[in-house]
Amino acid sequence: DIQMTQSPSTLSASVGDRVTITCRASQSFGSWLAWYQQKPGKAPKLLIYKTSILESGVPSRFSGRGSGTEFTLTISSLQPDDFATYYCQQYKSFGQGTKLESK
Amino acid sequence: QVQLQESGPGLVKPSGTLSLTCGVSGASISSIYWWTWVRQAPGKGLEYIGEIYHSGSIRYNLSLKSRVTMSLEKSKNQFSLKLTSVTAADTAVYFCARGSSSSDYLDYWGQGTLVTVSS
Repeated sequence: DIQMTQSPSTLSASVGDRVTITCRASQSFGSWLAWYQQKPGKAPKLLIYKTSILESGVPSRFSGRGSGTEFTLTISSLQPDDFATYYCQQYKSFGQGTKLESK
Repeated sequence: QVQLQESGPGLVKPSGTLSLTCGVSGASISSIYWWTWVRQAPGKGLEYIGEIYHSGSIRYNLSLKSRVTMSLEKSKNQFSLKLTSVTAADTAVYFCARGSSSSDYLDYWGQGTLVTVSS
């Protein structure tokens, strides 16, 4: 099975910061990766699919890139609504999550 | 607007069978999507359980395969999950979701339902 490893596990940041979350796959399994945002007690929300395509309605401050075994999610200017946990997914494997908290 | 809604017992006894249904509105389960189950143990990350295609093809998480059954109920536009021989380790929030035809992302999710395994 492919293992997805996110880093960092926790990220402390302030409103307005530029933040990047990394997702590494244990092996290359195609080029597509998805990113989700989850808030406490809620279902995950799709942010980005096929590595870099923004889901409809997702703010343009979110972006994704990468290939092979290394992928990133970047938030260009953190907003109060962005504090949440983020998961990457490739095929049937999810990363362990990155909790983005307020500094 | 596509909506999914999980339903089923919130409490299952150890060694029993967990049974959940996901009702779908705004889309037909006969269309070209993978209808997917994901779970999340309390305070933990997301775990893929399995998915069923509109044709009836099924893929499972290999670690759960021997205990999982999935089915489509096209007349009711819903799909179902059964997990047998449950233990406390199966206590989790269970989500149903719609997977893309290429099976590489999940675009619509149910709100999730907590299933507790306890006597």
